[in-house]
Amino acid sequence: DAMVIQNPRYQVTQFGKPVTLSCSQTLNHNVMYWYQQKSSQAPKLLFHYYDKDFNNEADTPDNFQSRRPNTSFCFLDIRSPGLGDAAMYLCATSSAGGIQETQYFGPGTRLLVL
Amino acid sequence: DQQVKQNSPSLSVQEGRISILNCDYTNSMFDYFLWYKKYPAEGPTFLISISSIKDKNEDGRFTVFLNKSAKHLSLHIVPSQPGDSAVYFCAASVGGAGGTSYGKLTFGQGTILTVHP
Repeated sequence: DAMVIQNPRYQVTQFGKPVTLSCSQTLNHNVMYWYQQKSSQAPKLLFHYYDKDFNNEADTPDNFQSRRPNTSFCFLDIRSPGLGDAAMYLCATSSAGGIQETQYFGPGTRLLVL
Repeated sequence: DQQVKQNSPSLSVQEGRISILNCDYTNSMFDYFLWYKKYPAEGPTFLISISSIKDKNEDGRFTVFLNKSAKHLSLHIVPSQPGDSAVYFCAASVGGAGGTSYGKLTFGQGTILTVHP
């Protein structure tokens, strides 16, 4: 089945220790997104890639970076995680080109910062 | 500035009855609306969507209604089943005429639906 896969599902890191979360997709979608969701809050878009074009949200901290080496993979790098970065991180994809696109989400990676 | 709001944090319904989840928005540029369902420890799953050119879209037990003048949409689930118990997120996007339109989603905070047997 075509899908969005996130690894790992749970990640524990130490305060200030860099961490990388990964996302892969078999949908062949050209747009990939990273969201942060804290408990009882709405998912918040951090950035997205339209093909290779990177688009950062204005309020995304510099601590968060992303890489997309090819269509299938996208990485979220947190350079120096703080306690406030503990959250669920969701990857999503969509196939741009139509008038309105539905985004398809992976299962998420829950990040714990100690 | 919260552009999409789900004012009811939770809703409890008896199995077989109707569940109505509500969502309000403030940005009149939104032209595409979606509902997602989320189980614990899983990502949101797309449920149903509606374009602003319509006022109703139906898919099996799920119907979404859009009232553009009131900037309000609702999701009706009939009949409700215990397996429908989840968090429901309303989301909205500004589409466009295709091409580079990539539909950035703005989410509401979610409503926890509990369907009792």
